[in-house]
Amino acid sequence: GIQVEQSPPDLILQEGANSTLRCNFSDSVNNLQWFHQNPWGQLINLFYIPSGTKQNGRLSATTVATERYSLLYISSSQTTDSGVYFCAVEREDSSYKLIFGSGTRLLVRP
Amino acid sequence: NAGVTQTPKFRILKIGQSMTLQCTQDMNHNYMYWYRQDPGMGLKLIYYSVGAGITDKGEVPNGYNVSRSTTEDFPLRLELAAPSQTSVYFCASSHVINTEAFFGQGTRLTVV
Repeated sequence: GIQVEQSPPDLILQEGANSTLRCNFSDSVNNLQWFHQNPWGQLINLFYIPSGTKQNGRLSATTVATERYSLLYISSSQTTDSGVYFCAVEREDSSYKLIFGSGTRLLVRP
Repeated sequence: NAGVTQTPKFRILKIGQSMTLQCTQDMNHNYMYWYRQDPGMGLKLIYYSVGAGITDKGEVPNGYNVSRSTTEDFPLRLELAAPSQTSVYFCASSHVINTEAFFGQGTRLTVV
C-alpha cells in the first residue's frame, strides 16, 4: 500500500515562531488532506489540497503532486496550535482508502 | 447540523464481550470510514463504505464487522473483544470521492 511519512515527528516552538511540516507519499494521489488533532482528541480538517497552494489565516499548505510531497506552514504560532498534525492521502487508483501518516506532534510554548 | 455523531463516547468491555459502535451522519455523505487510533499513533483504516449496501476492508479489519443499510448509519461491530482492540475509534464521512472528510468525536474503548 501507499506509504505516508511525516516529519518532523515532534516539534517544540516558542509562541510567535513559524514552522513547516512535511508529508511525503510513495505513490501518485488524487486526494490529500491535512488535519489537526487538538489536545482533546478532536480531528479538524485544515485543508483539502491534492495539488497547488491554499491559505487560511496563519496556515497555508502546498502540495507538489509530481514530487510527491506536501508542506503545511504555520506562521506566528499560538498555544492553541498545539496538538498533532496529520497528513492523509488517497492513492490515484481510486481505492477510496484515505490513509494517514503518523503525524507531527507540535507543542507551542507561551 | 450535527455532522458525524458517534456513540458511546467511552466504554469498558471484558475480554470476549461484544458491542456495536454507532456512527451516524446527517450530511447525506456517500462515503463513510472507521479508523482506530492507538496511543501516540496515527489513524489506521478498519473498514469503509462508498454507499448503502457496499463495504470493504481497510488496513486492519480483523476482529471487526460493519454494515451499511442506510446512507446515514455505519455501525462497527466487535464480536469477541480482545485487549488488542483497546483504542480510540473514529468514524468519518465525505460527500464524494476527493473531498474533505469530517470526523466524529471518537469512542474510547478499553478491553480488560
